[in-house]
Amino acid sequence: GAVVSQHPSRVICKSGTSVKIECRSLDFQATTMFWYRQFPKKSLMLMATSNEGSKATYEQGVEKDKFLINHASLTLSTLTVTSAHPEDSSFYICSARMAGGLGYTQYFGPGTRLTVL
Amino acid sequence: RKEVEQDPGPFNVPEGATVAFNCTYSNSASQSFFWYRQDCRKEPKLLMSVYSSGNEDGRFTAQLNRASQYISLLIRDSKLSDSATYLCVVNIGGSSNTGKLIFGQGTTLQVKP
Repeated sequence: GAVVSQHPSRVICKSGTSVKIECRSLDFQATTMFWYRQFPKKSLMLMATSNEGSKATYEQGVEKDKFLINHASLTLSTLTVTSAHPEDSSFYICSARMAGGLGYTQYFGPGTRLTVL
Repeated sequence: RKEVEQDPGPFNVPEGATVAFNCTYSNSASQSFFWYRQDCRKEPKLLMSVYSSGNEDGRFTAQLNRASQYISLLIRDSKLSDSATYLCVVNIGGSSNTGKLIFGQGTTLQVKP
């Protein structure tokens, strides 16, 4: 089956640090990747849609200069949380849609838990 | 109004019980519907898609009512391993379908021995 990995799985950092999270599709090509954020006991909230070779589309209320997304290849998208603050502490999950796949089929990564002190 | 609404629970049931979860969605243009399962501190995993004709997978039955914009999930003969949060998920679709999924808050199920 389709596998998506995320790295790192857990990050603890000081306030003001920038943190980069990688999302990789291991056995398929992903034209589109999605980045979600989930706070405790809350729903997954879509942050942005990342298309290979083009700029990401951000959801309303998500600062594009704060959350930098790069999708340079068909198997890798990165999310950089710039100058992280405690309120950015959350569970960040990526998903990937297979190239040529059905519009709604997404494969989720295992998530990255970010704690900003 | 939230785009996808669920009762967060928790639902505490004994092993062997039958339990039903409901979900409503606000966008009548929604085209695809799913139930995902999420274990604590893990990523969501697709449990089943929901079709207009209803569908069943073992102990799990999903129903869709487009007129009422309502989705349900029925779990029969609950197992301890069914304890998790169940997420109702909707895809808007349309001509410019980006594959965007809208997640409900989730309903927490605790199955007790």
